[in-house]
Amino acid sequence: NAGVMQNPRHLVRRRGQEARLRCSPMKGHSHVYWYRQLPEEGLKFMVYLQKENIIDESGMPKERFSAEFPKEGPSILRIQQVVRGDSAAYFCASSPPVNAQETQYFGPGTRLLVL
Amino acid sequence: SQKIEQNSEALNIQEGKTATLTCNYTNYSPAYLQWYRQDPGRGPVFLLLIRENEKEKRKERLKVTFDTTLKQSLFHITASQPADSATYLCALDEGSARQLTFGSGTQLTVLP
Repeated sequence: NAGVMQNPRHLVRRRGQEARLRCSPMKGHSHVYWYRQLPEEGLKFMVYLQKENIIDESGMPKERFSAEFPKEGPSILRIQQVVRGDSAAYFCASSPPVNAQETQYFGPGTRLLVL
Repeated sequence: SQKIEQNSEALNIQEGKTATLTCNYTNYSPAYLQWYRQDPGRGPVFLLLIRENEKEKRKERLKVTFDTTLKQSLFHITASQPADSATYLCALDEGSARQLTFGSGTQLTVLP
């Protein structure tokens, strides 16, 4: 029973390049969340998605960041024209569709380094 | 403004003692509160969830209390072990929104 999978685990980009982070939720989970953890800071919510729908993107920067969760395939967090301040650990979490248990299960994270 | 505070960024205790971590919040009305453990280089791992109408919850050596009047949760690890050394995060969800809001964490070190 595989947990939440994220790849790549480490990603190095130069300023101005694009970063694509992928997240495969746990089997049977239809809710995906993305969080960002800056060095020495706590986890900050970015976006909440269900299949083919963005439910809440209140934590997403207005520019350069986008997220999707297509009908088939993993959820993608895309950062265009990366800047040094985007360097952080990006965590994906998933939860089942039923509200009985609101626990979120986290992946191992993608560590993005912008040079 | 809304705020979640976890007392002491770092806590050192002797093996076998009880570790007590505190999570205080302001301007929230959480439906429930969760505690997670995070090891270096890894994602958070869920430990316990306590609902607003519950006072206490236990799981093996872990105990969580939730006081909605004081707006505080206490997280206890009894008979602590060096393997319990990690950063512990509290997180709130206000129910209507499924996003979790995390505290900055308390780094616990259990000394042998």
